[in-house]
Amino acid sequence: KQEVTQIPAALSVPEGENLVLNCSFTDSAIYNLQWFRQDPGKGLTSLLLIQSSQREQTSGRLNASLDKSSGRSTLYIAASQPGDSATYLCAVRGGGFKTIFGAGTRLFVKA
Amino acid sequence: EAQVTQNPRYLITVTGKKLTVTCSQNMNHEYMSWYRQDPGLGLRQIYYSMNVEVTDKGDVPEGYKVSRKEKRNFPLILESPSPNQTSLYFCASSLSRDSTDTQYFGPGTRLTVL
Repeated sequence: KQEVTQIPAALSVPEGENLVLNCSFTDSAIYNLQWFRQDPGKGLTSLLLIQSSQREQTSGRLNASLDKSSGRSTLYIAASQPGDSATYLCAVRGGGFKTIFGAGTRLFVKA
Repeated sequence: EAQVTQNPRYLITVTGKKLTVTCSQNMNHEYMSWYRQDPGLGLRQIYYSMNVEVTDKGDVPEGYKVSRKEKRNFPLILESPSPNQTSLYFCASSLSRDSTDTQYFGPGTRLTVL
């Protein structure tokens, strides 16, 4: 059964710092992996989607990598800003179209 | 505007009183799904549907029913709600089975069962 783990559970950094969020999964037979952002009391906003055949995706200050063989994905945020403060979730989609989410990393960027 | 809508956004009810949470998307998406989000547990998939009349169980389907009679709608039915179904519920959709397809989420429905 697929399990998805995100480390750390919470992170506080000063503005301007580069940071890495981690997501690990137990079953490498995935269809894709998606990173989301969730603001308090709000829905989920898609940030990046990586297909199983891809190694990384980039959007602006965000870069997500995928290493299926080791069951890991990282989300790199460059030059963090207070507006980046949110919970970041990774979701793994399997071949049966079940989707398993990690519990999330709560990020706080201090001005 | 392309979107996933859910109604109601907030609902307080009592144990055993049947309720339906509606979900609708205007993007002609084939795939739709329901999740619940609980503190410390993240989002867990309840049911998903790959097309009209095709539904399947996610990780936590007990106590829930779904139907997909039309492509745009995917209602979540709680026949006899219990307090352990108090949660934040999200509906999501994506275009198809293609691995490039992003899931789009609705705004959420906060359900309290007393």
